[in-house]
Amino acid sequence: EVQLLESGGGLVQPGGSLRLSCAASGFTFSNYAMSWVRQAPGKGLEWVSAMSGSGGSTYYADSVKGRFTISRDNSKNTLYLQMNSLRADDTAVYYCAKAQVVSPRDYWGQGTLVTVSS
Amino acid sequence: QSALTQPASVSGSPGQSITISCTGTSSDVGGYNYVSWYQQHPGKAPKVIIYDVSYRPSGVPDRFSGSKSGNTASLTISGLQAEDEADYYCSSYTSSSTVVFGGGTKLTVL
Repeated sequence: EVQLLESGGGLVQPGGSLRLSCAASGFTFSNYAMSWVRQAPGKGLEWVSAMSGSGGSTYYADSVKGRFTISRDNSKNTLYLQMNSLRADDTAVYYCAKAQVVSPRDYWGQGTLVTVSS
Repeated sequence: QSALTQPASVSGSPGQSITISCTGTSSDVGGYNYVSWYQQHPGKAPKVIIYDVSYRPSGVPDRFSGSKSGNTASLTISGLQAEDEADYYCSSYTSSSTVVFGGGTKLTVL
């Protein structure tokens, strides 16, 4: 059974940093691209970032480019999102999802809430 | 990259058919056959119901179908059921090698 489990969310002050993790199981992690998608409270979905299975290619939304870094450790079956210089408008539930190149596909995690507030 | 345009809400009675549109540009919807549709129930993670314009993942009922014409993609749900009441989002691959989502459509089953 495929499972994606995000962790690392919480309350952080504006300008602060946070690292999200997404632990994957039930499939050959290194064979698949992975993505991050976020959803602000009461709002729609926003694609954030994606990474190829090998980790050699990364992609970012303009809204996070230069502040967020996606990475993965295929030996640990884990995807990461390092978030720096956080702003109030980064407040959202962050989902990781198995991807086809950059597009989220068939399996999503349950999400982790990031709140940026003083 | 601007969000794709979806109607804010649609509604239909059980058994009826509804269509949700998703309008983009030639740099996203019109330029690639990489449109996906997601269903999201309150408090739950999104679930892909259509990918690559018209393909259904296994387990998704054939009541759900997708199509595209020019810069506009469409999701049709036939034989509407109460459990179809949810938010629906479209997404598309873009010329910048990113993904853009639509603003979402709330489907109400009357």
